[in-house]
Amino acid sequence: AQSVTQLDSQVPVFEEAPVELRCNYSSSVSVYLFWYVQYPNQGLQLLLKYLSGSTLVKGINGFEAEFNKSQTSFHLRKPSVHISDTAEYFCAVRGGSNFGNEKLTFGTGTRLTIIP
Amino acid sequence: DAGVIQSPRHEVTEMGQEVTLRCKPISGHDYLFWYRQTMMRGLELLIYFNNNVPIDDSGMPEDRFSAKMPNASFSTLKIQPSEPRDSAVYFCASSGGIQIVGNEQFFGPGTRLTVL
Repeated sequence: AQSVTQLDSQVPVFEEAPVELRCNYSSSVSVYLFWYVQYPNQGLQLLLKYLSGSTLVKGINGFEAEFNKSQTSFHLRKPSVHISDTAEYFCAVRGGSNFGNEKLTFGTGTRLTIIP
Repeated sequence: DAGVIQSPRHEVTEMGQEVTLRCKPISGHDYLFWYRQTMMRGLELLIYFNNNVPIDDSGMPEDRFSAKMPNASFSTLKIQPSEPRDSAVYFCASSGGIQIVGNEQFFGPGTRLTVL
């Protein structure tokens, strides 16, 4: 079984400043990792995902994440945030094979608030 | 593509009434997931289907909850009788399944349920 820990429940950041949202996972098998964003009153939308290969993954809206196997982390970063990035961000993990592992385990979310 | 469609978007009902939430997955997707989101418990997986067959319902809170998928394009989540603690946002998601490596889940906009 897998688990995900998002250490920060809320992160306030000034506009145009960089941000890092932290995610650590636990798993005894290889994993696929995902970051989803939820804007107010909307469903979740995929930002990026790590399946294999390069550990630096680029996603939509200027976000990127780095997979670190030794530290079991998948932190999300953006070099310069905008007001429109205000949202809740969820890290998720699932087993890294396509057979019988469709279930995603989500973290508790990090609320990112951009301060003008 | 219209994405995952959920109805109704908002539902207000009284305790003891039956509630039926509906979901139409993305055409061609063979996995369907039902989630519940609350402030206290975050995002919880209730049940998921593969090719219309329930695979894992371990997240269904109790016998008052039931879910069906009569065909590939329609699923329902029913609560009977409803209780105030069932108030939450219920999300449906679908994914392309085993033939796509690391396939992501696509979420619907959610149904906000309020039980008075």
